[in-house]
Amino acid sequence: RKEVEQDPGPFNVPEGATVAFNCTYSNSASQSFFWYRQDCRKEPKLLMSVYSSGNEDGRFTAQLNRASQYISLLIRDSKLSDSATYLCVVRRYGGSQGNLIFGKGTKLSVKP
Amino acid sequence: DTAVSQTPKYLVTQMGNDKSIKCEQNLGHDTMYWYKQDSKKFLKIMFSYNNKELIINETVPNRFSPKSPDKAHLNLHINSLELGDSAVYFCASSLASDSPLHFGNGTRLTVT
Repeated sequence: RKEVEQDPGPFNVPEGATVAFNCTYSNSASQSFFWYRQDCRKEPKLLMSVYSSGNEDGRFTAQLNRASQYISLLIRDSKLSDSATYLCVVRRYGGSQGNLIFGKGTKLSVKP
Repeated sequence: DTAVSQTPKYLVTQMGNDKSIKCEQNLGHDTMYWYKQDSKKFLKIMFSYNNKELIINETVPNRFSPKSPDKAHLNLHINSLELGDSAVYFCASSLASDSPLHFGNGTRLTVT
């Protein structure tokens, strides 16, 4: 089982839709959580950190459930420019200290 | 511009050759990384340096040798290139080992 798992998609949604992605992690020692966005043939960019109490940044809401070991990302009122691959990222301490483990990403395609 | 910059952007070479990829960051970050993203889009850490010292060395063939002349630079030298080395290599930096990453725009390596 991979340490960070995501549904690869693609999620094809119309503009204005609300879409949610989930991500599960297997290592309970994981300490920090992030969502990154990667556009086609570009570098990953930090979208938002994920805090235990949940956090929101504009149309984006991130949630963490430590008991069930999953992270979610909700995008409201989808825009064409939201089309990208969304990477779930977990920081694991111990062993390779402070190592960031990336999921394979969930591809989102927002259509007009 | 403040950024992580890596060169070259594209690198096409034959099996058996030796090549280097350079990375520089002017963000004043203490930690730098090399990641490999393969054809399946899986992003995996290779090395991490903190203030010129190696802190992470994942299971990478010893044909790959990172060099950090100062904390703003982390270069990657690859000896005896193999077909399986074809991938996109991303350099990244972070303020500290537990901070989010800032990625360079990647080097697409093709080994023929």
